Amino acid sequence: AQSVAQPEDQVNVAEGNPLTVKCTYSVSGNPYLFWYVQYPNRGLQFLLKYITGDNLVKGSYGFEAEFNKSQTSFHLKKPSALVSDSALYFCAVRDSGAGSYQLTFGKGTKLSVIP
Amino acid sequence: DGGITQSPKYLFRKEGQNVTLSCEQNLNHDAMYWYRQDPGQGLRLIYYSQIVNDFQKGDIAEGYSVSREKKESFPLTVTSAQKNPTAFYLCASSISGKIYEQFFGPGTRLTVL
Repeated sequence: AQSVAQPEDQVNVAEGNPLTVKCTYSVSGNPYLFWYVQYPNRGLQFLLKYITGDNLVKGSYGFEAEFNKSQTSFHLKKPSALVSDSALYFCAVRDSGAGSYQLTFGKGTKLSVIP
Repeated sequence: DGGITQSPKYLFRKEGQNVTLSCEQNLNHDAMYWYRQDPGQGLRLIYYSQIVNDFQKGDIAEGYSVSREKKESFPLTVTSAQKNPTAFYLCASSISGKIYEQFFGPGTRLTVL
């Protein structure tokens, strides 16, 4: 079975400071990991993914994420937060060894960037 | 302009009525998905389809039904058997294959009165 945890319901950060949104996962095979962002009353937008290769993945809007196999983590990061980054962020995982395409999402972390 | 459309954006229904939510994509994706989103619970998979005329139950399929008669369309019916249907419903599609990300529609907010 595959699962993902986002331990923080909410993260507050001052504008211009670095931000981190945490994600840990559990799979039986190798993980395929994704980050999405959701603005109020909208669908999810894809930010970045890790499939294989370099542990540091760069994505849209200046976001990046670091894959850490030993800690089973895939934390989302940005060097300097913007007020417009305020949104709901979802981490998702798919087990490369699973038979289906099912993607399991975390419960989401609400990011608030304070001016 | 490629993308996924869901209609309507807001839907109100009386308790006991069936209602069908529309999802259409012009991305030429083989796989399509329906999720339900409730506050604090993330996204939960209702049904998914990897190819036309085939679909599988997700984690919370009870009280829902789908069809996949065309590649570009994957309508979801919320039946009267669904005990708590009020939620935000999201449709997504992707290229077939586990390494590919899903693209989401704008969602339909269903309120049952």
